[in-house]
Amino acid sequence: EVQLLESGGGLVQPGGSLRLSCAASTFTFSTYWMTWVRQAPGKGLEWVATIKPDASETFYVDAVKGRFTISRDNAKNLLDLQMNSLRVDDTAVYYCARGPTLTDYMDVWGKGTTGTVSS
Amino acid sequence: SYVLTQPPSVSVAPGQAATITCGGHLIGGKRVHWYQKKPGQAPALVVYDDSDRPSGIPERFSGSNSGDTATLTISRVEAGDEADYYCQVWDTTSGATWVFGGGTTLTVL
Repeated sequence: EVQLLESGGGLVQPGGSLRLSCAASTFTFSTYWMTWVRQAPGKGLEWVATIKPDASETFYVDAVKGRFTISRDNAKNLLDLQMNSLRVDDTAVYYCARGPTLTDYMDVWGKGTTGTVSS
Repeated sequence: SYVLTQPPSVSVAPGQAATITCGGHLIGGKRVHWYQKKPGQAPALVVYDDSDRPSGIPERFSGSNSGDTATLTISRVEAGDEADYYCQVWDTTSGATWVFGGGTTLTVL
C-alpha cells in the first residue's frame, strides 16, 4: 500500500524553527512531485510548498516564502519542510501529499503532523 | 491570485443528492479536483480532472465544470459522506500555485 508518514511536529515559540519530515513507501518516490499542505485550526486546506522530482525547482505560497524550505532525499524516500521564523498563524496540521500529478492533483496524503506556534 | 469560492455549508437528507459548487473566473478552462476531509483523517481525493473518480470511490460521486462554476454531486447521500469538501485547481496567474477553495461542510440530516 502506498503510504506517507509525517513526523516532526511539536510546540515552538514564535520566531523559532521546526523541521517536518515525510517518509514515503511503496512507490517510486524519486519520480513524483511532492507537496506540503496545511490546515490551521478551524480553517480550510492551504497549499504550502511543492518540489519537483529531481529537486531542481521548488514553489511556495507567498505567506511562507523566505521562511520555509522544502527539500527531499530521493535515496532515503524522504520529504522535508524546514520552517523558520515561525509565527502564531503557522499553527496547523501539516500534510504531506504525493503530487501534483500531470494534471495537478494530489492523489495520496499522509495523516498529518501538528505544528503549534505559541508563547 | 486566483480565488475559488465555495458555499460554507450544504445540508441534505439521506438518500437525496447533494450539490457542492466551486466558483472561479473561467474555471471551466481549468481542471478541477475535489477532496473529502473528515475530522482527524487525511484528505482523500474523490474526483479529479473535473469528473473522473479514483479507484475505490463510489459512482455516487460525480463532477462537472463549465463557465465560472465547477460542481461536485453526491447522489444518494449516506451518513458516511458527512465531511468537508474542497475544490482545487492549478493556477499560473502569479507563478505556479495550487489553489484550494474555502471548503464546504456537508451535513447529512
